[in-house]
Amino acid sequence: DGGITQSPKYLFRKEGQNVTLSCEQNLNHDAMYWYRQDPGQGLRLIYYSQIVNDFQKGDIAEGYSVSREKKESFPLTVTSAQKNPTAFYLCASSPGTGGSPLHFGNGTRLTVT
Amino acid sequence: GESVGLHLPTLSVQEGDNSIINCAYSNSASDYFIWYKQESGKGPQFIIDIRSNMDKRQGQRVTVLLNKTVKHLSLQIAATQPGDSAVYFCAENSKTSYDKVIFGPGTSLSVIP
Repeated sequence: DGGITQSPKYLFRKEGQNVTLSCEQNLNHDAMYWYRQDPGQGLRLIYYSQIVNDFQKGDIAEGYSVSREKKESFPLTVTSAQKNPTAFYLCASSPGTGGSPLHFGNGTRLTVT
Repeated sequence: GESVGLHLPTLSVQEGDNSIINCAYSNSASDYFIWYKQESGKGPQFIIDIRSNMDKRQGQRVTVLLNKTVKHLSLQIAATQPGDSAVYFCAENSKTSYDKVIFGPGTSLSVIP
């Protein structure tokens, strides 16, 4: 059963701590993405990767970092430099050929206090 | 700049009626459009897509219409059911930036039993 797994579903951290969100896919997709969603708003692109060992900044990359060491995995680190990290984080993947819909995980809700 | 936006942030319909959700886009280079459904606490799910060489595409109980002249996209849901209650996002892609998908702010559909 192919899909995208994000873990954990809920995450709580103290301000000043870095936190890493996990995203794994078994769809054999080349491209992976991280989006941030705030209440009542659309999705904003943080980072994306079209191939292993390569990634690009999206529209709101400041305070975030990623790695793509394996095709299946694209973890996102929310650093202490991110001013307003509390949000719903969504990971997605696509075949990467263009003109294909994204497949999303069920998200991680991060709360920083 | 490029943007995809929705005309109505909320929509309430009676069960059994048809629903129409609208979306405007500004990038004339966009050639691939997607509708997603997002239920509370979950990631967006692909509903239907359409390419710019088409005006209409039908799925199961859903139809997407594309009017390139006025840069307008709509999603029609026939015989709306309580399970259709969700937030609906339109998104667009263009040949020049297939790695970036631009999402609209979303419309919340509420079905009244």
